[in-house]
Amino acid sequence: EVQLVQSGAEVKKPGESLKISCKTSGYKFTTYWIGWVRQMPGQGLEWMGIIYPGDFDTRYTPSVQGQVTISADTLISTAFLHWSSLKASDSAIYYCARLRDSGSSIEPLDYWGQGTLVTVSS
Amino acid sequence: EIVLTQSPGTLSLSPGERATLSCRASQSVSSSHLAWYQQKPGQAPRLLVYGASSRATGIPHRFRGSASGIDFILTISRLETEDFAVYFCQQYGSSPHTFGQGTKLEIK
Repeated sequence: EVQLVQSGAEVKKPGESLKISCKTSGYKFTTYWIGWVRQMPGQGLEWMGIIYPGDFDTRYTPSVQGQVTISADTLISTAFLHWSSLKASDSAIYYCARLRDSGSSIEPLDYWGQGTLVTVSS
Repeated sequence: EIVLTQSPGTLSLSPGERATLSCRASQSVSSSHLAWYQQKPGQAPRLLVYGASSRATGIPHRFRGSASGIDFILTISRLETEDFAVYFCQQYGSSPHTFGQGTKLEIK
């Protein structure tokens, strides 16, 4: 059974760093792209970017390029989303999700994590 | 980037009625690489339809996706109470893979 389990809720101050995780199981981690989606309070979904753990190829949406880093650790089948300096506007729920077909980046998101709530407040 | 515009913003219907949700792209979506998702409060989105018209695994037949050029439609033939939720379209044919702003389907 494919599962994506995300790390727990975080409360941080502006300027702090943060790394949230998405531990996967039930499939071969290195052969599927995995992505991150942001949902601000009461708002819609925003596709942030994707990574292919097989070769660490990474794509970002322009609005987050340089603001976050998507990474993966193949030894523990886990993807990460990292901020070096948080802003209040980063407060949101962050979902990880796997792309549907192996090897292809042109796929929808079929398996989702439960979401990680990040709150950034002074 | 491709902008997706969903309409209506809110749709009020009764169980048993037919729902028609629209998603219009700002430019051509390559090879109908368009998906629909359902999201209920406090839950992650769930993939319903991909490739504009293919149902994802386990999705009931009352959910049907269709396409005509840059216009995409999700039809729910006979609404059940569990179908009242927010629906998002997403294009994944070109990066970034953008989402529409969502349609809230509420009980009338």
